[in-house]
Amino acid sequence: GESVGLHLPTLSVQEGDNSIINCAYSNSASDYFIWYKQESGKGPQFIIDIRSNMDKRQGQRVTVLLNKTVKHLSLQIAATQPGDSAVYFCAENSGGSNYKLTFGKGTLLTVNP
Amino acid sequence: GAGVSQSPRYKVAKRGQDVALRCDPISGHVSLFWYQQALGQGPEFLTYFQNEAQLDKSGLPSDRFFAERPEGSVSTLKIQRTQQEDSAVYLCASSTDRRLETQYFGPGTRLLVL
Repeated sequence: GESVGLHLPTLSVQEGDNSIINCAYSNSASDYFIWYKQESGKGPQFIIDIRSNMDKRQGQRVTVLLNKTVKHLSLQIAATQPGDSAVYFCAENSGGSNYKLTFGKGTLLTVNP
Repeated sequence: GAGVSQSPRYKVAKRGQDVALRCDPISGHVSLFWYQQALGQGPEFLTYFQNEAQLDKSGLPSDRFFAERPEGSVSTLKIQRTQQEDSAVYLCASSTDRRLETQYFGPGTRLLVL
């Protein structure tokens, strides 16, 4: 079936560097995407979202890019800090339904001091 | 303000026992969702409530799983006759009626069935 997936399961960066976490999706009907951060033992924390009528959205230190042509989503974290270490999930609303989120498997980001 | 809260945070059950997991959504959020997260995986949708109405239960894995939200606020996910494969983190999320898809998650209940 159609699903959201991630290119890289792990990413290790140095403190202060920029991080890029990628996500591929296959459901062309999806029109809403979210990035979540999940620290060990905690629930997913909302980071940033984007709708399919946009290709870029910026938050505080984070930017989400959406390329609908190749069905690709990325999360950029500027000046990565040790506190950014976590698993990052992208999720889509799977088109058809505006509430049922489909999550990818996640990318583990490790920030080295 | 307060976020989504869940209790208990951890639950150990013997195979065959019934368990009940509680979720308190963000105040004013009419929509409530349950997800199941297996180790190393992303959350998977279980069920959705709008106020007290359960509008979608398509993700519940078996008839041993039952969810309710009788007064449109607190919700309980009940698992009867637990099996080892039920071991997972059960996450609750809530959202407003205007932005159903922007869901805010609680800390989850980690269930271990022995």
